[in-house]
Amino acid sequence: DIQMTQSPSSLSASVGDRVTITCRASQSISSYLNWYQQKPGKAPKLLIYAASSLQSGVPPRFSGSGSGTDFTLTISSLQPEDFATYYCQESYSTPFTFGPGTKVDIK
Amino acid sequence: EVQLVESGGGLVQPGGSLRLSCAASGFTVSSNYMSWVRQAPGKGLEWVLVLYSGGTTYDADSVKGRFTISRDNSKNTLYLQMNSLRPEDTAVYYCARDRSHSSGYYHDDWGQGTLVTVSS
Repeated sequence: DIQMTQSPSSLSASVGDRVTITCRASQSISSYLNWYQQKPGKAPKLLIYAASSLQSGVPPRFSGSGSGTDFTLTISSLQPEDFATYYCQESYSTPFTFGPGTKVDIK
Repeated sequence: EVQLVESGGGLVQPGGSLRLSCAASGFTVSSNYMSWVRQAPGKGLEWVLVLYSGGTTYDADSVKGRFTISRDNSKNTLYLQMNSLRPEDTAVYYCARDRSHSSGYYHDDWGQGTLVTVSS
């Protein structure tokens, strides 16, 4: 199975900050990488698929990059509604593993 | 509008069984890939099973031989049959509609989740 790691596990940031979250796969997964946002008590929401494709309706301050084993989610200017937990997920092969998550909270 | 509504969660004893339902509207379940994803209390997301439109299924090792995914086309509903339940199966279970892309596959729409608690 492919293992996924994320860093950092948590971060504190202020509104307007640029935030970068890293996801690493244990083997090459090409661009088979998704990013989700989850707020407490809510279902996850798809942000980015295929490493860099922005899901319809998601603000353009979110962007994804990377291929192979190393990927990045960037929030260009953090907004109050962006405080949440972010998960990456590989879709290269089952069991479509999620990363452990990165919690973004208010500084 | 796409909507997914899970039901069937609750408290069950270890070794017991439970069947979750996911009623879909706004699209046809049988024409889509559908997944179950779970989240233990205070923990991260865990992909559990997928049912492809052609009928092929895949499951995670953690539920292999115990959980089964299926659908009823006449009811436009996805199911998760869970047998031999263990305390570590305690989680919120989400159903999701999946989309495929040239560079992968992703969970596009999600239900609100249903809580399964396995405890004596």
